[in-house]
Amino acid sequence: GAGVSQTPSNKVTEKGKYVELRCDPISGHTALYWYRQSLGQGPEFLIYFQGTGAADDSGLPNDRFFAVRPEGSVSTLKIQRTERGDSAVYLCASSLTATSGSEEQFFGPGTRLTVL
Amino acid sequence: AQRVTQPEKLLSVFKGAPVELKCNYSYSGSPELFWYVQYSRQRLQLLLRHISRESIKGFTADLNKGETSFHLKKPFAQEEDSAMYYCALSGGSLMEGGSEKLVFGKGMKLTVNP
Repeated sequence: GAGVSQTPSNKVTEKGKYVELRCDPISGHTALYWYRQSLGQGPEFLIYFQGTGAADDSGLPNDRFFAVRPEGSVSTLKIQRTERGDSAVYLCASSLTATSGSEEQFFGPGTRLTVL
Repeated sequence: AQRVTQPEKLLSVFKGAPVELKCNYSYSGSPELFWYVQYSRQRLQLLLRHISRESIKGFTADLNKGETSFHLKKPFAQEEDSAMYYCALSGGSLMEGGSEKLVFGKGMKLTVNP
């Protein structure tokens, strides 16, 4: 079956612009996660959804970052007034549930965001 | 605070040599520990988790709560083991006040030479 997909695979934008990154989780997975990975670092948690609601958004760095998952499937990560420091690979992952603490998370290929 | 430390960034060995990738963590409760792997030009994927207590591709990892470690070991490395390895933890069951989010270490690049 299809894995987690993310679009676009690459995004180049200018400082100050708005961007949207999309994630399609594995069908039937109720939990969806966003991470950000900067060069030479491990993935850093941003936010996760259980169904349509954000269960934990403690990783969002500031109010320029926002994510939605209106129908409990596809999610969009939105970044306003992009800054050069936002440049990173944005990873999405999904898991069957988000209750046990030990669920395997399945990762997408990532979106490489470059802010010029 | 939750933290995962992978003290070495690079490890290069010859095929057939033993490998140990170190991981230490700090967490006040009872975390779940994982090793994720990323092969060249592939996406991040789960290698193993401590709760399963299984060996995957010859790798094992034992959770040592006294030393707060979860080192990954393989007795005889193969060339196809060359990859980036990330240790991660989650905060355990939501029912117990935990969180599903993963906290990752910075990763270690393993190179197995022929």
